[in-house]
Amino acid sequence: QVQLQESGPGLVKPSETLSLTCTVSGDAISTYFWSWIRQPPGKGLEWIGYIYYSGSTNYNPSLKSRVTISVDTSKNQFSLKLSSVTAADTAVYYCASLGVDTTMDSYYYYIDVWGKGTTVTVSS
Amino acid sequence: DIQMTQSPSSLSASVGDRVTIICRASQNISRFLNWYQQKPGKAPKLLIYATSRLQSGVPPSRFSGSGSGTDFTLTVNSLQPEDFATYYCQQTYTTWTFGQGTKVDIK
Repeated sequence: QVQLQESGPGLVKPSETLSLTCTVSGDAISTYFWSWIRQPPGKGLEWIGYIYYSGSTNYNPSLKSRVTISVDTSKNQFSLKLSSVTAADTAVYYCASLGVDTTMDSYYYYIDVWGKGTTVTVSS
Repeated sequence: DIQMTQSPSSLSASVGDRVTIICRASQNISRFLNWYQQKPGKAPKLLIYATSRLQSGVPPSRFSGSGSGTDFTLTVNSLQPEDFATYYCQQTYTTWTFGQGTKVDIK
């Protein structure tokens, strides 16, 4: 089964860019969709966006102007960049793989495998 | 954005109880509804997708989902100690959003 591991700085200064990488093991990245989700301390989950290995993306409109998700097939990794961060971006960031069920009348996506999550704090 | 509202926000139950969690969408999402379970300090785990399809490894004797349109239900039969957790619904009809969560703790 695919396994995911997030990596990146745990502390980012306000107005700077948050950069995280997710390393995929157990399968090729050119197989699935890949996603980022975050969870502020003590709060619920927020979907950030997803990418297909070909590079096509879909972002949460509330973050779209600040988010870039990219994939590096040579390294079996995908990445998140979130610019102009504020304290409101402090959260646990999860990378994940998506599953899709096409056996019914439509494409049903779901978040299948999650990384353990990495805490990012925005503070000066 | 489609708002997802779960009720209750929290509940207390005993081992062996049957628990029902409701998730209501602010507009019709057909059957594009998933359920996740999260334990403290851990990543969420997929339980159910497409309203009623159980993820591999999830015991069908205990977990089930139903609904369509705007109203959905997650039912946990015969609650086990490992089922005490927070449960989230998620819609994938458009711009994916999650419910605020329902915490199930021990009575």
